[in-house]
Amino acid sequence: ETGVTQTPRHLVMGMTNKKSLKCEQHLGHNAMYWYKQSAKKPLELMFVYNFKEQTENNSVPSRFSPECPNSSHLFLHLHTLQPEDSALYLCASSQVGGVAGELFFGEGSRLTVL
Amino acid sequence: AQSVAQPEDQVNVAEGNPLTVKCTYSVSGNPYLFWYVQYPNRGLQFLLKYITGDNLVKGSYGFEAEFNKSQTSFHLKKPSALVSDSALYFCAVRPSGGGADGLTFGKGTHLIIQP
Repeated sequence: ETGVTQTPRHLVMGMTNKKSLKCEQHLGHNAMYWYKQSAKKPLELMFVYNFKEQTENNSVPSRFSPECPNSSHLFLHLHTLQPEDSALYLCASSQVGGVAGELFFGEGSRLTVL
Repeated sequence: AQSVAQPEDQVNVAEGNPLTVKCTYSVSGNPYLFWYVQYPNRGLQFLLKYITGDNLVKGSYGFEAEFNKSQTSFHLKKPSALVSDSALYFCAVRPSGGGADGLTFGKGTHLIIQP
């Protein structure tokens, strides 16, 4: 069982579809994150959840809707996306209050919007 | 707000030679600094971190990094490169403290080790 598991690994969707990305962490951490990785751009922090409460939303369009039902699970609900939203979406977790709090990443979900 | 600069898009090194991947940062207060590696179609793997103390930090796979406060740098190094070290390397920073701040990443440096 890997530390942070993301499903699906690959997703192709049309602009009118609704889909969700799922992330589960098995590390006992209390903070979870969504990052977007696009070609030739730095990783963009999208959302932060600390003890299930959203603490950061970096001006992400409302067509991306996060959900954190508990400290082990994180979802990213997608609707009416645009082709420029095609990217690798990375989930990560960390232990708040621990020393330094490095992030542990999942393998990512590769999203293609047609 | 914090930021990270990785000035080289790509670094080419012959196998067996020493390697350096450069990183400079900007952050309010004391920094926590990190290096991650990403292989094709994979997530980011943690390599090492600097919190406080010794400026030379040792990490996974024989990598090390040197923190230089006056130059606000945190360069990644390895004495002898392997072909398997070829990957995308990210430097990241966050302010010190135990909060749930996400890391701010540089744009990444492609490291290519030639046989």
